[in-house]
Amino acid sequence: AQKVTQAQTEISVVEKEDVTLDCVYETRDTTYYLFWYKQPPSGELVFLIRRNSFDEQNEISGRYSWNFQKSTSSFNFTITASQVVDSAVYFCALRVLSNFGNEKLTFGTGTRLTIIP
Amino acid sequence: SAVISQKPSRDICQRGTSLTIQCQVDSQVTMMFWYRQQPGQSLTLIATANQGSEATYESGFVIDKFPISRPNLTFSTLTVSNMSPEDSSIYLCSAGRQGFGYTFGSGTRLTVV
Repeated sequence: AQKVTQAQTEISVVEKEDVTLDCVYETRDTTYYLFWYKQPPSGELVFLIRRNSFDEQNEISGRYSWNFQKSTSSFNFTITASQVVDSAVYFCALRVLSNFGNEKLTFGTGTRLTIIP
Repeated sequence: SAVISQKPSRDICQRGTSLTIQCQVDSQVTMMFWYRQQPGQSLTLIATANQGSEATYESGFVIDKFPISRPNLTFSTLTVSNMSPEDSSIYLCSAGRQGFGYTFGSGTRLTVV
């Protein structure tokens, strides 16, 4: 079964603190892709990163960094020196093949991040 | 990445009526999807919109309730039929090329009264 678990439902931190959002996934596929999306209050989904299962290098983009560990099936997301504009719901997703052979994204339940000024 | 225009952005509809949501992509894409996001919940895939053929529906979703069209590689519509208050959700279109990242439209906030 394909599954994405984001155990943290809500997190609040004070501005400028670092925060890590956890994502644990389950899949039997040997080749798969993991994604992070941001959904600000306006509602649109903003693509942040895609990582394939063969690339375990950590990635850094500005204040954002991602830690992919196949051994623990985790793909965690860290925001350094958080800002109020980071307040949003963050979704982790796993690309899987559906029963019909098409690919689709399976989403976690999301983590609502609130940055307190 | 593809840029998606989705409309309407929001609507308030009467119970029993239908609403058609449009999704226009600025480039040809292989994959187009429709998702539903109920209030405070995650995204659930409704169906994959197939170009020139019937959509592929996920478990729990049927064509009579959510008819989908995709006449070409850049355009798709989702209709929410015979609406009830339980259909109040955000509906999102997503598109991209198979094996690559997917972008999402800004969503349609539907309220059924």
